[in-house]
Amino acid sequence: GQQVMQIPQYQHVQEGEDFTTYCNSSTTLSNIQWYKQRPGGHPVFLIQLVKSGEVKKQKRLTFQFGEAKKNSSLHITATQTTDVGTYFCAGRRAGNNRKLIWGLGTSLAVNP
Amino acid sequence: DVKVTQSSRYLVKRTGEKVFLECVQDMDHENMFWYRQDPGLGLRLIYFSYDVKMKEKGDIPEGYSVSREKKERFSLILESASTNQTSMYLCASSFYDTSYNSPLHFGNGTRLTVT
Repeated sequence: GQQVMQIPQYQHVQEGEDFTTYCNSSTTLSNIQWYKQRPGGHPVFLIQLVKSGEVKKQKRLTFQFGEAKKNSSLHITATQTTDVGTYFCAGRRAGNNRKLIWGLGTSLAVNP
Repeated sequence: DVKVTQSSRYLVKRTGEKVFLECVQDMDHENMFWYRQDPGLGLRLIYFSYDVKMKEKGDIPEGYSVSREKKERFSLILESASTNQTSMYLCASSFYDTSYNSPLHFGNGTRLTVT
């Protein structure tokens, strides 16, 4: 069954507002990756987090990996219409890390 | 840039037909994957391969098989297509690393409709 929970499922924001999506795993992860899928497109790799408590930034996007390596978040500051899409997290379980376990994604809609 | 090419963007097949979905990558990646994506169910792994002629079942292999005769090509086969296999099929590849940290590079997807 699903072992990486991602919330919320949908988020509708006004352009300029912030947005955050969260991933929570029932088991410790060795790493976590984030992908973005534009409407009609395919998932595109954004970033990977490996270390406990790691924080990485890409312009307006901030990615965090929890201290226990069981949760992660993606925060977008001042959303733009180009941020529209579905954001997926995907993690590998510590000790059994050949397969990626995917969250169901958060779909972001941005009103101009 | 990595290019992962799926042979068809849209495909319509009849129930019972044998269906081949082809995927080719141009970056000499060792690992290749087939996923299906359905609304509300996210991405589900069907099969993957870490080397030529090698394959492993993913989470939902029933009704599917795969072939990897060459490193750059990974084929997904629906032995006898059924309507519940109507879906978006995504191929992906990645390079091998001992820490399994390498990101996946996806193709554009094949939207298969089985009538």
